[in-house]
Amino acid sequence: GAGVSQSPSNKVTEKGKDVELRCDPISGHTALYWYRQRLGQGLEFLIYFQGNSAPDKSGLPSDRFSAERTGESVSTLTIQRTQQEDSAVYLCASTPPSGGSYNEQFFGPGTRLTVL
Amino acid sequence: AQSVAQPEDQVNVAEGNPLTVKCTYSVSGNPYLFWYVQYPNRGLQFLLKYITGDNLVKGSYGFEAEFNKSQTSFHLKKPSALVSDSALYFCAVRDSSYKLIFGSGTRLLVRP
Repeated sequence: GAGVSQSPSNKVTEKGKDVELRCDPISGHTALYWYRQRLGQGLEFLIYFQGNSAPDKSGLPSDRFSAERTGESVSTLTIQRTQQEDSAVYLCASTPPSGGSYNEQFFGPGTRLTVL
Repeated sequence: AQSVAQPEDQVNVAEGNPLTVKCTYSVSGNPYLFWYVQYPNRGLQFLLKYITGDNLVKGSYGFEAEFNKSQTSFHLKKPSALVSDSALYFCAVRDSSYKLIFGSGTRLLVRP
């Protein structure tokens, strides 16, 4: 079946502009995660959605970052007033409802954001 | 706080030789350990996980990993490397929560 999809695949923007990144999780997956991967580094957790529970926003680096999720489907990560240090690959992942913490996360291909 | 260390930035092996990619972890409570692989311009792909049970875990593409509680390690291994195994490998740990904490990654280069 279809995997996690993300759009756009690449985004180039000017410093100070706002950007929106989209994630479509695998159908039926209740949990959704956003991560940031800076060049040559591992993944940093940003935010976690689980069903209708309040999201865990503890990884968001500043108040310029926000994310929403519509039910158990699409999620949008918004970065306001982008800065050059926001340049990274933003990865989305989802997990199915059964298995809880034991489940592996299924990752999308990522959005490469470049802030000029 | 939980953490993961991948001490090698790069591992070089010849095709057909065994490979090992090292990972050590630090968590409070029981560790749930994962290995992911990332090919160029692609997202992460799950390889294997340790939750409980046998210390030797077998995964995709002939990879396996050995959980060692006393050494807090979860090294990734493969008996015979392929050129197509060349990629970036990430170890990750999760404790009783749901967040994955990733290592910095190890680049595996398998030469023909």
